[in-house]
Amino acid sequence: DAGVIQSPRHEVTEMGQEVTLRCKPISGHDYLFWYRQTMMRGLELLIYFNNNVPIDDSGMPEDRFSAKMPNASFSTLKIQPSEPRDSAVYFCASSSPGWGHGYTFGSGTRLTVV
Amino acid sequence: DQQVKQNSPSLSVQEGRISILNCDYTNSMFDYFLWYKKYPAEGPTFLISISSIKDKNEDGRFTVFLNKSAKHLSLHIVPSQPGDSAVYFCAATLPSGGSYIPTFGRGTSLIVHP
Repeated sequence: DAGVIQSPRHEVTEMGQEVTLRCKPISGHDYLFWYRQTMMRGLELLIYFNNNVPIDDSGMPEDRFSAKMPNASFSTLKIQPSEPRDSAVYFCASSSPGWGHGYTFGSGTRLTVV
Repeated sequence: DQQVKQNSPSLSVQEGRISILNCDYTNSMFDYFLWYKKYPAEGPTFLISISSIKDKNEDGRFTVFLNKSAKHLSLHIVPSQPGDSAVYFCAATLPSGGSYIPTFGRGTSLIVHP
């Protein structure tokens, strides 16, 4: 298994532009999570899905953020319009019930908004 | 409000000595605790976990201790190796409708000097 795959690895964009981050979870995992890592707040849960359905999006910071999971093998996190304070590393993770050995994270997307 | 706190942002240890990473939590309903390790430019990877019904779990050089009365857990690495240099995240979970969504601390950066 290739693990959780995120793209792009790095994204530099100008303030006001739309940014789309992509994630392919591990096949068979029915939970998918989007996290954001910053120095100030560590790893924050933004949203998670179960069987492609958004369950809890209370961590999404603003309406500028949206996430979708159109099928079991693909999810997107979109920021529109982007702002410099959105600069962070965004991680996608997946898991399945009985997950006692933890989540599997992707390698992350480092977003820089200038 | 941080429910999982890692108050030491960094720790420096000599190779061969013991590394002790600490974590405090505020929610007594947490029932499972995990440690993740993160290398630069990679996603966090699961390291070790402990159920709230136990006070110790050991896996090779890694041991996690849980003190529920103090709401404190620690990760011991003995002996420390340069390859252990990474950021370590403490996480705790609440059962939520069958899923277990971890809350992460901000992380502690461990540097093991040769």
